[in-house]
Amino acid sequence: GAGVSQSPSNKVTEKGKDVELRCDPISGHTALYWYRQSLGQGLEFLIYFQGNSAPDKSGLPSDRFSAERTGGSVSTLTIQRTQQEDSAVYLCASSLLVAGGDTQYFGPGTRLTVL
Amino acid sequence: AQSVAQPEDQVNVAEGNPLTVKCTYSVSGNPYLFWYVQYPNRGLQFLLKYITGDNLVKGSYGFEAEFNKSQTSFHLKKPSALVSDSALYFCAVRDITTDSWGKLQFGAGTQVVVTP
Repeated sequence: GAGVSQSPSNKVTEKGKDVELRCDPISGHTALYWYRQSLGQGLEFLIYFQGNSAPDKSGLPSDRFSAERTGGSVSTLTIQRTQQEDSAVYLCASSLLVAGGDTQYFGPGTRLTVL
Repeated sequence: AQSVAQPEDQVNVAEGNPLTVKCTYSVSGNPYLFWYVQYPNRGLQFLLKYITGDNLVKGSYGFEAEFNKSQTSFHLKKPSALVSDSALYFCAVRDITTDSWGKLQFGAGTQVVVTP
């Protein structure tokens, strides 16, 4: 079956612009996660959604970052007023449940470059 | 607080030789441990996980990992490395005793280079 998909695969933007990154999880997965991968910071957790519960936003680095998940499926990560330090690969993952041993399956990522 | 350490930035091994990638962890409760592999310009690919039970876990592509509670380690192993195993490997832990227990905490990654 289809895995996690993300779009766009690459995004180049100018400092100060807003960007939206999209994630389509594996069908039937109730949990969805966003991570960021950068050279200086490694892999960082940003936010996760579990079913209809309030999302865990504890990893969002600033109030310029927000995410939503519509209809329990597709998610959009929005970065407002982008800064150069936002340049990174943004990875989305999904899992069947949010349980201790549940496996998170990752998409190919969106590479964001802020000029 | 949970944390994961991968002490080696890079591991070099000749094809056909055993491969070991080290990982140690620190969590408050019982750990859930994962290994992922990342090929260039690709997302993370799941290899294997430890939840409970047998300390030796077998995963994809001939990889296995041994959970050692006393040494708080979860080293990844492969008996005979292939050139195609050259990639970036990440160890991750999930601590369900924390408030933000859904997330994975990743190590810094270990670059594996297998030479012919």
